[in-house]
Amino acid sequence: AQSVTQLDSQVPVFEEAPVELRCNYSSSVSVYLFWYVQYPNQGLQLLLKYLSGSTLVESINGFEAEFNKSQTSFHLRKPSVHISDTAEYFCAVTLNTGFQKLVFGTGTRLLVSP
Amino acid sequence: NAGVTQTPKFQVLKTGQSMTLQCAQDMNHEYMSWYRQDPGMGLRLIHYSVGAGITDQGEVPNGYNVSRSTTEDFPLRLLSAAPSQTSVYFCASSQDSNNYGYTFGSGTRLTVV
Repeated sequence: AQSVTQLDSQVPVFEEAPVELRCNYSSSVSVYLFWYVQYPNQGLQLLLKYLSGSTLVESINGFEAEFNKSQTSFHLRKPSVHISDTAEYFCAVTLNTGFQKLVFGTGTRLLVSP
Repeated sequence: NAGVTQTPKFQVLKTGQSMTLQCAQDMNHEYMSWYRQDPGMGLRLIHYSVGAGITDQGEVPNGYNVSRSTTEDFPLRLLSAAPSQTSVYFCASSQDSNNYGYTFGSGTRLTVV
């Protein structure tokens, strides 16, 4: 079965600094990978996804993630964060064969301070 | 377009009481699921459904029942609430290919005392 590891439970950064949120997955077969964001007291929103093709995927608000098959990673990056990026970020994986369940990591809380 | 609607938003139950968490989607999605979110544990899958009349267990199904009589609705039932079921519950739906990602409801915060 597939699994996801997010080693950092909390990442504090200053506004306009770069950030990387780490995600590693485990699976014996090919996968789809996702990043979701959860703002305080809200549900989860899809941030970006990797299905196939280019290993670098981008979101509309400046985040990007790179699929690295050899390192089984899908780290999320942003070159310059804003206060409004403060949220919890979840990495998720599902198998790309048939209809599969989505498995989440434990989440990383990004805290952006002025 | 409402997306995924969950009711109620907040609920306090006494141990042993029963209740149903409601979930409805208006996107004609085949796949629906229930997750619970607990601090430090991420989201864990309780039950899921791949279409009307079809349900299956997820990672943590004990203490919960589901049914899927229509494409739109996927209620989650707690038959005898326990303090260990205190959590935030999220319903999610997706098109059947998984390629489109999930749409989540805004959650139900349940406290069992």
